[in-house]
Amino acid sequence: QSVLTQPPSVSAAPGQSVIISCSGSSADFGNSYVSWYQKLPGTGPKVLIYDNDRRPSGVPARFSGSKSGTSATLGITGLQTGDEADYFCGTWDARLSAVLFGGGTKLTVL
Amino acid sequence: EIQLVESGGGLVQPGESLRLSCAASGFTFSDYSMHWVRHAPGRGLEYVSTISRTGTTTYYGDSVKGRFTITRDNSKSTLYLQLGSLRPEDTAVYFCARPYYGSGNPPHYWGQGTQVTVSS
Repeated sequence: QSVLTQPPSVSAAPGQSVIISCSGSSADFGNSYVSWYQKLPGTGPKVLIYDNDRRPSGVPARFSGSKSGTSATLGITGLQTGDEADYFCGTWDARLSAVLFGGGTKLTVL
Repeated sequence: EIQLVESGGGLVQPGESLRLSCAASGFTFSDYSMHWVRHAPGRGLEYVSTISRTGTTTYYGDSVKGRFTITRDNSKSTLYLQLGSLRPEDTAVYFCARPYYGSGNPPHYWGQGTQVTVSS
């Protein structure tokens, strides 16, 4: 099964911003809605963004999402040490009838 | 409040079987398809399986196809995953998850997970 491609790691200093990319190879990815998840050790994934750019209630506005064609991005501004985590993109691929996940990006806040 | 509570994990030997359960509450269970996803240390999230609202349609990831079976009991608001012919590489935390909309979209609400360890 195809996967979504993310950079393995990103890093930035507290207060700065980062962008995490997610690109898809499936022909259907351009028509799919992307979610972004934060994964901390010992806890279930937490959704930060759904439907490409919608933020669930309770998720700070520092987190934003966008999608253009076959590439999606997660932006995080005003980085905090508590943001250190693994971040995953995910989508439902209707052609493959499967959930696709990116390989995950480890965020380090220096 | 939407809650998903997994159970049934444990330590098993290669080749053995295990059944996981996921008790759902806080929403009308039969209105939503449901997913199983797993996460192994040092690895990413891996898609395991999806079941339709009525249970009549199921989908599986390539690595578990033919060995795992997803089912649901809407009268009990419970999702199941039967794990068979287990291998060491199946060792992971298994999460059940509900999509935001009824079907055809990725996980949105997640449980806390249940650990499955396959080792001799």
